[in-house]
Amino acid sequence: SAVISQKPSRDICQRGTSLTIQCQVDSQVTMMFWYRQQPGQSLTLIATANQGSEATYESGFVIDKFPISRPNLTFSTLTVSNMSPEDSSIYLCSVRYRLAGVNEQFFGPGTRLTVL
Amino acid sequence: AQSVTQLGSHVSVSEGALVLLRCNYSSSVPPYLFWYVQYPNQGLQLLLKYTSAATLVKGINGFEAEFKKSETSFHLTKPSAHMSDAAEYFCAVGRDDKIIFGKGTRLHILP
Repeated sequence: SAVISQKPSRDICQRGTSLTIQCQVDSQVTMMFWYRQQPGQSLTLIATANQGSEATYESGFVIDKFPISRPNLTFSTLTVSNMSPEDSSIYLCSVRYRLAGVNEQFFGPGTRLTVL
Repeated sequence: AQSVTQLGSHVSVSEGALVLLRCNYSSSVPPYLFWYVQYPNQGLQLLLKYTSAATLVKGINGFEAEFKKSETSFHLTKPSAHMSDAAEYFCAVGRDDKIIFGKGTRLHILP
């Protein structure tokens, strides 16, 4: 399995500011994903971040609001821009490996964001 | 389109009792199915996965799930609940491109 770390683990931010979340994986992976988990809700995929290409965003998410970088095979960042209280969520980084012919996905511990 | 429906946002069972968390899926092709667990203030951990090799899948911590195509279900069970099983459980369906999560079921264990 993969060991995934995220920084920061939590933050409290003011409306209108931006926060960049870092995701570090202990091995090289092609496919990385960013999810959002709003309070009491399930996980929603924000975007897929593959190294060497632009991130692919899901419906309802745009690059201007959630810019993503993927400089190498072990690291990615997600920025939450111009934050509002509605952005208060847990943001999770995830990676996918192909093990024994099956795609298996692992998740980081999450970044708990509160926007005041 | 693929989706999963988890019946019951909250389930309470007594310690030592059977745990049953329900999940029904919708998929136009044979799916990969997963159960994840999220303990308080932690990330998601894979409990088990169905990949068409066997309909009864055994996972970690004594959990298992049975794939029933006729019922489009993939319910999660554990014969005897333990206090440490209190967590949020997510059923998910996926193919090669992405994984879609259900809304989750919070399991409460009563002493």
